[in-house]
Order: sequence, then C-alpha cells, then structure tokens
Amino acid sequence: LAKTTQPISMDSYEGQEVNITCSHNNIATNDYITWYQQFPSQGPRFIIQGYKTKVTNEVASLFIPADRKSSTLSLPRVSLSDTAVYYCLVGDHAGNMLTFGGGTRLMVKP
Amino acid sequence: DAGVIQSPRHEVTEMGQEVTLRCKPISGHNSLFWYRQTMMRGLELLIYFNNNVPIDDSGMPEDRFSAKMPNASFSTLKIQPSEPRDSAVYFCASSFSGGRGEQFFGPGTRLTVL
Repeated sequence: LAKTTQPISMDSYEGQEVNITCSHNNIATNDYITWYQQFPSQGPRFIIQGYKTKVTNEVASLFIPADRKSSTLSLPRVSLSDTAVYYCLVGDHAGNMLTFGGGTRLMVKP
Repeated sequence: DAGVIQSPRHEVTEMGQEVTLRCKPISGHNSLFWYRQTMMRGLELLIYFNNNVPIDDSGMPEDRFSAKMPNASFSTLKIQPSEPRDSAVYFCASSFSGGRGEQFFGPGTRLTVL
C-alpha cells in the first residue's frame, strides 16, 4: 500500500510560488501520482497527474524524481483563491490501492 | 453535463436507522468511487466500481455498509444500521479510466447520525 505523507499546512503570500511535497516511499511500478484541490464544502477537484519527470499544465507543475518516492506540486504566483487543501493521490490504472494523503492546508495571505 | 449528482445533500438520522445515499455519475464514465471524509481520518476510499462491477471494496468499514451499481447511471451506498461514528461527508466520484483517470467528484452528502 503506497501510503502518502504531506505537510499538514503551509502559508504563503500572493504572487509567490508554492511547492508542496508528497512522500510515497512504497509507490509501485504501475502507480500514477495525482493532485487534487479541495475548497470547503466542495468535493476535490483534479489539478494535475504524472508518472515521472515533469508535467505542466495551465495551473501547476508536477515534479517527480527518478526514484518516484516523492513528488512536488508547484503552484506559480498563487492568489488568495488558491487557499485550499491539496491532496496527493497514488494509485494504478485499475484503481487499486488508491490512497489519498492527509492533505496540505495552504493559506495564501495578502 | 451537470456533473456528478448526489442526493441527498444533507441527511440527519437517528442511530439504528437505515441510510441510503445516491449517486448519478457523469454520462459516459465507466468508473465510480465512493469516499468518506472526516476530520479524524481524512478522505478514505470505500469502494470502487468499474463497468458497474465492484473492483475494490477493501475500504468498506464493515458489514453494515453496502454499495450497489445496478446500471451505469446510478449507484447507492447503504448503511444499515447507522451509528454516530458513521457521521461524515460521503463523496461519489466518476472517471473515464479507472483509478488513473481524472476523477470528478460530486458535492457530497453530509450525514449526521444522532
């Protein structure tokens, strides 16, 4: 079971880059890494997914080192609206062993 | 598309009563997930269906919980009998391609068992 570990909380200021790291030491060969964002009273929302190296989309980048035992979500130039809980999820294409981390509560300050 | 639809949005019941939560996934999605979220335990996967077939129910807490997916557009999560420790927000999510694909979450059902 690929258990994940994330920092409980992080603070940042508007305009800064934020990097949130997730540890998944027991990640399996077939596992992908996915990050979700959750606002209060809403379901999580997909941000980005990757298998190795680097993935970038319009909202974030995901960095995965060669050993894949960790991953880093990078949010460029955060705004107040990025205040949310961010979850790291590890699981394979069959949905086996889907494991959400405890989430990182990001607080963006003006 | 209206997204994943869950009902009811809020449910308050008394201990011992049967509770049924309902989910309509996004049309065309072949995978459906039920999650439970609490402050203490975070977001937990309860059960995962692929093409209406339960693939992984290892997260279902105990025999009081059961889930069905009679067709591609409907699923239920039933708790019988309910207990106060079942109080949580229950999310349903669906995706195109199993656990790997982007999961689209519903708004959740907030269950309170008194």
